[in-house]
Amino acid sequence: GIQVEQSPPDLILQEGANSTLRCNFSDSVNNLQWFHQNPWGQLINLFYIPSGTKQNGRLSATTVATERYSLLYISSSQTTDSGVYFCAATETSGSRLTFGEGTQLTVNP
Amino acid sequence: KAGVTQTPRYLIKTRGQQVTLSCSPISGHRSVSWYQQTPGQGLQFLFEYFSETQRNKGNFPGRFSGRQFSNSRSEMNVSTLELGDSALYLCASSLHNANTGELFFGEGSRLTVL
Repeated sequence: GIQVEQSPPDLILQEGANSTLRCNFSDSVNNLQWFHQNPWGQLINLFYIPSGTKQNGRLSATTVATERYSLLYISSSQTTDSGVYFCAATETSGSRLTFGEGTQLTVNP
Repeated sequence: KAGVTQTPRYLIKTRGQQVTLSCSPISGHRSVSWYQQTPGQGLQFLFEYFSETQRNKGNFPGRFSGRQFSNSRSEMNVSTLELGDSALYLCASSLHNANTGELFFGEGSRLTVL
C-alpha cells in the first residue's frame, strides 16, 4: 500500500502567523483529503483535493499529483485552529484511506 | 442534511466481552468504511462496505467483523475484547465508493476495555 508522510509532526505558532503543512505520498493516488480532528475526535473535512488548488477562507490547499505531495496553508492563524491535521489518500487500485501521522498544531494567543 | 451518525458515542466493556457499534451514513451514500484510531497505531482501516458487500478489509484479526444493511446502515462487531481494542472507532460514508469520492466521518465511538 501507499505511504503517507506528514511534516512537521508538531508546530507551535503565535496567533496571526501563517503556516504550511506538508503531505508526501509514495504512489499515485485517487483521493486525497485534509482533515482537522476536533477535541472530541471527529474528523472535519477541510479539502478533497486529488489535484490542483482550492481555497476556503483562511485555508487553502495545493496538490501536485505528479510530484506526489500536497500542502495545506493556514493564514492568520487563530487559537481555534489548534488541533491535529491529517492528510489521507487512497491508492488508485484500492478503497482504503491511508492516513499520515498528523501534524499537531498549537496556536497561542 | 444529517451527517454520519455513530452510536453509542462512549462505552466501557471488560475483557472477553463483545461489542457492536452502529453507523448511519449520510442519506444517499452507499459506501461505509470503518477506521480504528489509537495513540500508538494512528488511524487504521478496518473495512469498507458498498451495497451490502464487503469490498475491502484491513489487517485486523477475525474478531473484527462488520456488515451493511439494505438501507446502507452498517454495524461492526468486536468479539472477545482485549485491552488493546480500546480505541476511537470512526465510521465514514461516501456517495459512491471510497476510492474516488470524498469521505465524511462521524463523531466516533470511543471504546474502553477494562
